[in-house]
Amino acid sequence: SQQGEEDPQALSIQEGENATMNCSYKTSINNLQWYRQNSGRGLVHLILIRSNEREKHSGRLRVTLDTSKKSSSLLITASRAADTASYFCATDATRLTFGEGTQLTVNP
Amino acid sequence: DAGVIQSPRHEVTEMGQEVTLRCKPISGHNSLFWYRQTMMRGLELLIYFNNNVPIDDSGMPEDRFSAKMPNASFSTLKIQPSEPRDSAVYFCASSFGGRSYEQYFGPGTRLTVT
Repeated sequence: SQQGEEDPQALSIQEGENATMNCSYKTSINNLQWYRQNSGRGLVHLILIRSNEREKHSGRLRVTLDTSKKSSSLLITASRAADTASYFCATDATRLTFGEGTQLTVNP
Repeated sequence: DAGVIQSPRHEVTEMGQEVTLRCKPISGHNSLFWYRQTMMRGLELLIYFNNNVPIDDSGMPEDRFSAKMPNASFSTLKIQPSEPRDSAVYFCASSFGGRSYEQYFGPGTRLTVT
């Protein structure tokens, strides 16, 4: 499978803490994307990192990409209750395919 | 911009009936995607159009499923006949530039087949 695989499957933290989610994939990619899905809603694009980039920031989000290890991480700093959602990574490879996601719960 | 628009938002139908889901992509986007999401199988790409032409339909589960994009502003996903195992949330997404660009998702259609 070429899909991204996130871990952990579930993560529960306190408001203010940092949350780190990881994604692994199996084939060469052009880019990797992270999305968020709130319960009952469509996915929302968070950030895209290209294969020639190692790190990218967007607000409280920091994404890293290690193409040698075929892995990426998403760090959410100073988490808020509103960050509670499922987070997916997706790789373009031949088809943009999504992993099963990490369910993040931020407790107030 | 109104974003990707999907209709209906909820659909309940009986097994054997025809179901048609509709999608209006964001104006100016040239790529459109249909996904299905279930607890068991996660988020699956069903079909991908670029410039109204189906590019990858390898995710379409079987002949009961068909998708069309008659113009740049409208697409349909049809299931005929529907079965209980088709119950899922169906998402439409669009992008400017294809698979390698960020996709904008619609709110989804929750389909229940009884």
